[in-house]
Amino acid sequence: EVQLVESGGGLIQPGGSLRLSCAASGFTVSSNYMSWVRQAPGKGLEWVSVIYSGGSTYYADSVKGRFTISRDNSKNTLYLQMNSLRAEDTAVYYCARDRPALIWGQGTLVTVSS
Amino acid sequence: QPVLTQSSSASASLGSSVKLTCTLSSGHSSYIIAWHQQQPGKAPRYLMKLEGSGSYNKGSGVPDRFSGSSSGADRYLTISNLQSEDEADYYCETWDSKGVFGTGTKVTVL
Repeated sequence: EVQLVESGGGLIQPGGSLRLSCAASGFTVSSNYMSWVRQAPGKGLEWVSVIYSGGSTYYADSVKGRFTISRDNSKNTLYLQMNSLRAEDTAVYYCARDRPALIWGQGTLVTVSS
Repeated sequence: QPVLTQSSSASASLGSSVKLTCTLSSGHSSYIIAWHQQQPGKAPRYLMKLEGSGSYNKGSGVPDRFSGSSSGADRYLTISNLQSEDEADYYCETWDSKGVFGTGTKVTVL
C-alpha cells in the first residue's frame, strides 16, 4: 500500500529548530517529486517546499533560508529541517507525493510558542 | 509564478449540483491544475488533474459525481447529486518550479 506517515511535530519555542520526517511505503521517495505543504489553524493550504527526483529543491519565500528539504534514500524518508522558527510557522505540516499532489500524509502539528 | 483565485464559499441543496471555479492569473491560462478535497479534520485528498483542454484524470476511488471542465483561464469542478459527505473545503493547485494553492472554497450542503 502506498502511504506517507509524518512525524516530528510538537511544541517549540520561537527561534528553535525542529526536523520533520515523512516515512514512505509502497514506492521509492527518490524517484518522485516530494513536497511539504502546511496549513495554519483555520487557514488554507500553503505550499512550502519541493525536492525533485533529480535532487533540485525549491522553497516558498516565507521559509527560504530557514527550512531545508532533504531525503534519505536508504530509509525511504523525506525530511524538513526547520530552523529559526516563528509563531507564524505554526501549522499542520503535510508531505505529499507527485505534482500535483496525488498522495498525502496525515500531517503533523508544529506549534511555535513560548 | 501563477496565482489561483477561488471564491470563498458555495452552497447547494442535497442532491443538486454545484460548480466551483479556479481562475489562473494572466499569462498562465494554459496551466494544468489539480483539485483537492479536504473534509473537516482530515488531510487533503486528491480529486483530479485538469488540463486547459478540459481533459481530466480522476484519482482512485473518486465518485463519478465529480467532474472537471475548463474555459480559458477558468478551471471548474462540478459536483453532481450533492451528498452530505461532499461538505468540505476544495482547493486548486498548480505549479511551475514552485507550487501554488488557491485560497479554497468551502462547500455547504443545505
